[in-house]
Amino acid sequence: EAQVTQNPRYLITVTGKKLTVTCSQNMNHEYMSWYRQDPGLGLRQIYYSMNVEVTDKGDVPEGYKVSRKEKRNFPLILESPSPNQTSLYFCASSERPSPYNEQFFGPGTRLTVL
Amino acid sequence: AQSVSQHNHHVILSEAASLELGCNYSYGGTVNLFWYVQYPGQHLQLLLKYFSGDPLVKGIKGFEAEFIKSKFSFNLRKPSVQWSDTAEYFCAGQGSGTYKYIFGTGTRLKVLA
Repeated sequence: EAQVTQNPRYLITVTGKKLTVTCSQNMNHEYMSWYRQDPGLGLRQIYYSMNVEVTDKGDVPEGYKVSRKEKRNFPLILESPSPNQTSLYFCASSERPSPYNEQFFGPGTRLTVL
Repeated sequence: AQSVSQHNHHVILSEAASLELGCNYSYGGTVNLFWYVQYPGQHLQLLLKYFSGDPLVKGIKGFEAEFIKSKFSFNLRKPSVQWSDTAEYFCAGQGSGTYKYIFGTGTRLKVLA
């Protein structure tokens, strides 16, 4: 089944403890992206990647890192999480970085930073 | 600065009522526009998109949207809503030639049976 998977789905952690949220797609998509969703603010793009080893900042990249060493994986790294990073995170992918190609979203990861 | 605005945050309708959700954008050049829907407990999925051509675009599940350049708007419409349309709806934009997406704040639609 074609899908975008994220792990973990739920995570509670403490301030300063490094964490990684994994994202994987099995559709051979070039474009992958991370968003955070907060009440009243909608979805905001954190980072995106046009292909392996090509990443760029979205609107809210502060406090996050990403890497794209393989086409299928695009992990989101929080080196020193803070409470303002408590949010619902979505990974998405599309065949190409183009409006002609639909973005497919993962199920979301709900992160709480205490 | 580039932005996408949705002014209706919560909408409550009865079944069979007509729906129009507002979306306004602000981009310096050509823009591609999208509407996504998030049903309760499900992933976001694409309803429809516009990048050029006919300004009236039709999507899945009977939704349509009209791109009005003079008003910087891309409103979502459905002539008759159903209870199953209860969801959160997001408008999004992508500047032509860029890889960044900007989403609106979303509109929560509740349809009463």
